Amino acid sequence: QKEVEQNSGPLSVPEGAIASLNCTYSDRVSQSFFWYRQYSGKSPELIMSIYSNGDKEDGRFTAQLNKASQYVSLLIRDSQPSDSATYLCAVKKSFNKFYFGSGTKLNVKP
Amino acid sequence: DAGVIQSPRHEVTEMGQEVTLRCKPISGHNSLFWYRQTMMRGLELLIYFNNNVPIDDSGMPEDRFSAKMPNASFSTLKIQPSEPRDSAVYFCASSPEWAEAFFGQGTRLTVV
Repeated sequence: QKEVEQNSGPLSVPEGAIASLNCTYSDRVSQSFFWYRQYSGKSPELIMSIYSNGDKEDGRFTAQLNKASQYVSLLIRDSQPSDSATYLCAVKKSFNKFYFGSGTKLNVKP
Repeated sequence: DAGVIQSPRHEVTEMGQEVTLRCKPISGHNSLFWYRQTMMRGLELLIYFNNNVPIDDSGMPEDRFSAKMPNASFSTLKIQPSEPRDSAVYFCASSPEWAEAFFGQGTRLTVV
């Protein structure tokens, strides 16, 4: 079983819509959770981190964490074509070890 | 800080040759990670160091791969001998304790 699971997509949404990206993780002891965005040919860059149950909002982005269900999601409101990228979910466990999902490709159509 | 610095950005080598990838982490970060990314397998963790000590190398695919971190500001990933299936983008990332990882720009390796 993979540590972090994501639907590979692609997820297509029209410009201005809400994009919803989902991620599940296998180990309940995971303590920190991150969403990274990766444009084609570029390195991953952090867009959100979340450490406790509930929602965390930052501009058009909202991260949601449900530790009981071992589920993390990312909502992107008012999606823009510039949001088109691959979104990677990451989980951090003890000893500072990161695990990444395989990523979900998002296409925002003008 | 200039961020995580990797070199070279691109490397083309012939099968059987030794390849060395280099990484300078962000100053003050105590963890360093080497990842490999391919279309087929996504982002794979190869090895990570904590305070310059290798903690987990279970992701290193074969004995042809080795990594070192002689000090807090430098790490290498070596492949000897290289094979075409090693072609990928190799990322180095660093992280302070209990915070996010910051990635370098990656090294695109092509083995012909």
